[in-house]
Order: sequence, then structure tokens, then C-alpha cells
Amino acid sequence: QKEVEQNSGPLSVPEGAIASLNCTYSDRGSQSFFWYRQYSGKSPELIMSIYSNGDKEDGRFTAQLNKASQYVSLLIRDSQPSDSATYLCAVNGGGGADGLTFGKGTHLIIQP
Amino acid sequence: GAVVSQHPSWVICKSGTSVKIECRSLDFQATTMFWYRQFPKQSLMLMATSNEGSKATYEQGVEKDKFLINHASLTLSTLTVTSAHPEDSSFYICSVVRGSEKLFFGSGTQLSVL
Repeated sequence: QKEVEQNSGPLSVPEGAIASLNCTYSDRGSQSFFWYRQYSGKSPELIMSIYSNGDKEDGRFTAQLNKASQYVSLLIRDSQPSDSATYLCAVNGGGGADGLTFGKGTHLIIQP
Repeated sequence: GAVVSQHPSWVICKSGTSVKIECRSLDFQATTMFWYRQFPKQSLMLMATSNEGSKATYEQGVEKDKFLINHASLTLSTLTVTSAHPEDSSFYICSVVRGSEKLFFGSGTQLSVL
């Protein structure tokens, strides 16, 4: 059974610092990796997608993928209080988004 | 802008009643839509894949006779929770794929069954 593991937190980070969120997955054949942000009572919002090993940067967000270690991470630079949310890691085995497997999410708190 | 529209945002109903949730793709045609369920502090669990013009594909453990899915057009999929019970209380979210496997979610429906 495909599994996606995340530390549930809460992860507390001072405002302006770098928040580092980690995710491991069990299916070595996974091809696509996504990070979603979910505010309490709201649906998830796509932040980043990454498909190949290495880093991918988008504004204050950087996704990192290491397929050999089955590890994907999300870095948030210059953390803001508005970044406080639950971050969901999602993994797809490839060939379409059906069957996306989600982690339970990491609750991030940015302290002003 | 929004890719998916979902209604209602929340619903409270009595045990034994049926509840219908609508999911509409905006400005594009979606042959496939997905229905997820999320319990408090839990991850999203895929319930079923809704296919336009054909039967939905349900995940293991999801009762197809209880969670009726209809995808009658390229822009609309509905999920009906039949004979709802308190254990069905959850956050139901629909989603569509747009552009290179990226999954976009509707705003979600919080169902509370009394």
C-alpha cells in the first residue's frame, strides 16, 4: 500500500526564518510530487509541483526532490504569519492525477 | 481564478436524509473529477473517480450504494450521500485535473449529520 509520511507537528518557526517541511513516500515508482497548503476549514491549494530530482524555486517556496531517498521537502523563506497552515504532501504514481496519495499534513505555525 | 466550484459549502441534516453536493468545472471541460473525504486532522482520502458518461470508480471500502456519483455532463459531477448517519459527517472535496496532472480542489462541503 502506498504511503506518504509527514511529521504532523506543530512546527513552530519565527517570522522571517526558513520553514522546512519534510515528506517521505513508500512507492519507489512515484513520478509526480505536490505540495498543498490548507487553511483550517478550507480546501487545499496547490503551492508547488516537482517531477525531477533537485530543487525547484517559486518565489519564497523551494521544493526539493530526492527520488533515491524517496524524500521530498518544501522550504519557505522569509516566513510570514499568513504562512501558518497545514501543508500536505501528495504523491502520484504517474499517468494522471488519479490515485494521488496524501500525507496527513504538517501543521506550521509562524510566530510573529 | 477558481477552477472548480463546489456547493453547498456546509450542510446540516438529520440522520437518514440524503444530501447532494455539486461540483462544477469552470471554463473548461472535465471528463474526470475526483471526490475526496477528510476527517478532522486526517489526510484527504480518495473516495471515487467520477467519469463523464460512465460509472464512477470507487476506492476500496467506499460503499457505492451509499455515495452515489453522477457525472452527467463535462462540467458537473454530483455526490449524493444517501441515508446519511453521524459517522458520515466529514469534509467532502471535489477536484479536477488541469494542466500536467495538477489537481485543483473545490471549496469543500462540510457535512454535519445530527
